[in-house]
Amino acid sequence: ELKVEQNPLFLSMQEGKNYTIYCNYSTTSDRLYWYRQDPGKSLESLFVLLSNGAVKQEGRLMASLDTKARLSTLHITAAVHDLSATYFCAVDTSGTYKYIFGTGTRLKVLA
Amino acid sequence: EAEVAQSPRYKITEKSQAVAFWCDPISGHATLYWYRQILGQGPELLVQFQDESVVDDSQLPKDRFSAERLKGVDSTLKIQPAELGDSAMYLCASSLRDFDNEQFFGPGTRLTVL
Repeated sequence: ELKVEQNPLFLSMQEGKNYTIYCNYSTTSDRLYWYRQDPGKSLESLFVLLSNGAVKQEGRLMASLDTKARLSTLHITAAVHDLSATYFCAVDTSGTYKYIFGTGTRLKVLA
Repeated sequence: EAEVAQSPRYKITEKSQAVAFWCDPISGHATLYWYRQILGQGPELLVQFQDESVVDDSQLPKDRFSAERLKGVDSTLKIQPAELGDSAMYLCASSLRDFDNEQFFGPGTRLTVL
């Protein structure tokens, strides 16, 4: 059974600092997704990573995928308060078009 | 911009009552998903449709939950009878089921069972 783990589960950081969220998964997959969720809201797609070595950047967020290590990272550069949210990674189970979501990382950026 | 529509946005019901949620996917998206998200957790897939057919309902509590997508477009998820533990956000998503299979989520229905 595919398992997806994120760490840390909670992250409190100062504005202007850098940090990385990690997403590990247990079986082979080459499609990984990052979503953002604000409190009480739905999920907003951030990145789609489709192959080993894929790197995507949008503003202060950069995501990468290492399929051999079964690891994706979401790097935050010079955090700002507006990035405060919960971030989920999701892995597409090969051949099923079904996502398994990670546990989520609740990020709080302090002014 | 095309979006996934869901209604109602909020639903409060008493246990043992029946509730129903509706979802209209992005036009042209053949794959539709219903997820349940308990507060503080990640979404969990309840049912996956390809057109009007159920592809995966292995996590759907079939004694009380049912889902249908009769014409392969919009979909309804029903709970009867509702239990206290069903309180959660119910999310609908759709995708093209193409190479990247990016799923797009609707605003969700927040269910509270009293």
